[in-house]
Amino acid sequence: QSALTQPRSVSGSPGQSVTISCIGSISNVGGYDYVSWFQQHPGKAPKLLIYGVTKRPSGVPDRFSGSRSVSTASLTISGLQAEDEADYFCCSYAGDYTVIFGGGTRLTVL
Amino acid sequence: QVQLHQSGPGLVKPSQTLSLTCAISGDSVSSDRAAWNWIRQSPSRGLEWLGRTFYRSKWHHDYEPSMKSRLTINSDTSKNQFSLHLNSVSLDDTAVYYCAGGSAAWDFQSWGQGTLVTVSA
Repeated sequence: QSALTQPRSVSGSPGQSVTISCIGSISNVGGYDYVSWFQQHPGKAPKLLIYGVTKRPSGVPDRFSGSRSVSTASLTISGLQAEDEADYFCCSYAGDYTVIFGGGTRLTVL
Repeated sequence: QVQLHQSGPGLVKPSQTLSLTCAISGDSVSSDRAAWNWIRQSPSRGLEWLGRTFYRSKWHHDYEPSMKSRLTINSDTSKNQFSLHLNSVSLDDTAVYYCAGGSAAWDFQSWGQGTLVTVSA
């Protein structure tokens, strides 16, 4: 299956909200409740922000939220902070015991 | 808190086998709630899930279809670790390899530190 489609970059000012989209299909994002989002700073391993479409692991601020409409998942970051500047990746179960990732979105905090 | 620590060579010759190990602390490789994955990342291919192993009364393995013929993931309960073995590597297998753990519901909650593996003669 092809990778999930994400915008290459988004930006926002401190305190603002940004939303990152992840476009899939009924074969992945729209067909299963296994959508995750990850944050990755340069040179670091990805960090889980959202799993199960909308769930937040303990320790992840509630400024991060996940949602889905049909086959498009979204990550919203409210109250942007400087440390939110990073790459963000979506991930979805794609059936047949496989997983696919999005191409990643670079978030710039202006 | 689960912590994963990776080990293995950073340079592999073409056609040889790439082997990496991921040591687990804070959980058990044979936990009946966890799954243990290998994921890689390269500029050309992005993040790519490779496969996983998990124990539910017996050992299970799932592999990304395009990797299935070359990839083996196994576990060592005596050392509480799991390993990746990718044979017949080519330059295209150059990437940062991560181990990741989570539940069987495809949530990668814990990650290793990553290992840059370069395939070069």
